[in-house]
Amino acid sequence: GAVVSQHPSRVICKSGTSVKIECRSLDFQATTMFWYRQFPKQSLMLMATSNEGSKATYEQGVEKDKFLINHASLTLSTLTVTSAHPEDSSFYICSAVSDRSSKPQHFGDGTRLSIL
Amino acid sequence: SQQGEEDPQALSIQEGENATMNCSYKTSINNLQWYRQNSGRGLVHLILIRSNEREKHSGRLRVTLDTSKKSSSLLITASRAADTASYFCAAPRDDKIIFGKGTRLHILP
Repeated sequence: GAVVSQHPSRVICKSGTSVKIECRSLDFQATTMFWYRQFPKQSLMLMATSNEGSKATYEQGVEKDKFLINHASLTLSTLTVTSAHPEDSSFYICSAVSDRSSKPQHFGDGTRLSIL
Repeated sequence: SQQGEEDPQALSIQEGENATMNCSYKTSINNLQWYRQNSGRGLVHLILIRSNEREKHSGRLRVTLDTSKKSSSLLITASRAADTASYFCAAPRDDKIIFGKGTRLHILP
C-alpha cells in the first residue's frame, strides 16, 4: 500500500527556534499533500493544502509566514514552523494523495512538537 | 467548520462485543470515509462508501450511509483489544477532506 514517511517523529526545542518537518511519499507521486494540526483528544485541523510546484493554500486563520510550506517535488513537502513558541506545541500530521479527487489520503505518523 | 460529527465521543465496551459509531455531516457528498488513529500515530484509512451505496463491508467492519439523513455508521463486530483507537469520519469538501471530532473507542479485556 501507499506509504508516507514523516520526519522527525518528535522534536523538543527552545522558544524562538525554527523547526522543519518533512513529509515524503515513498512509493507514489503525491500531487497534493495536506498538513494538519491536532490538539490532544481533538480532531485534525487542516492547516494548508500543498501542491507540487505551486504555492500552498492556507486555511483561514493559519499564518503563512509562521508555517512555511514547500512542495518542491512530487514526493516531498516540508512544513517549517518559524520562530516557534510554546503555543505552537502540537501534533502535526501530513497526508498525501496521488490526485485531487476525493480519494483516501495516506498519512504520515505525525510529529510531536514541544516548544519549551 | 467540521463536515462530520461523530457520536458518541467516547465508547468503552467489553472485548467481543460490537461497537457502533455514528457520523452526521452537513453538505452533499460524493463519498464518506472512515479512518482510525492509534494513540500518537497518523490516521489509517479503513473504508470509503460512495454516495450511491447504502452499505459496505470490509472484514469485521460494516459501514452504512443514509444520504437522506446525512448520516453514516461504522460497526465493528467481535471487537478486539487492538481495536482500541480513535475513529474519524471524513467527508470531501471542495478539494479537501474535513474530519469529524472522532470517537474514542476503548476495548476492555
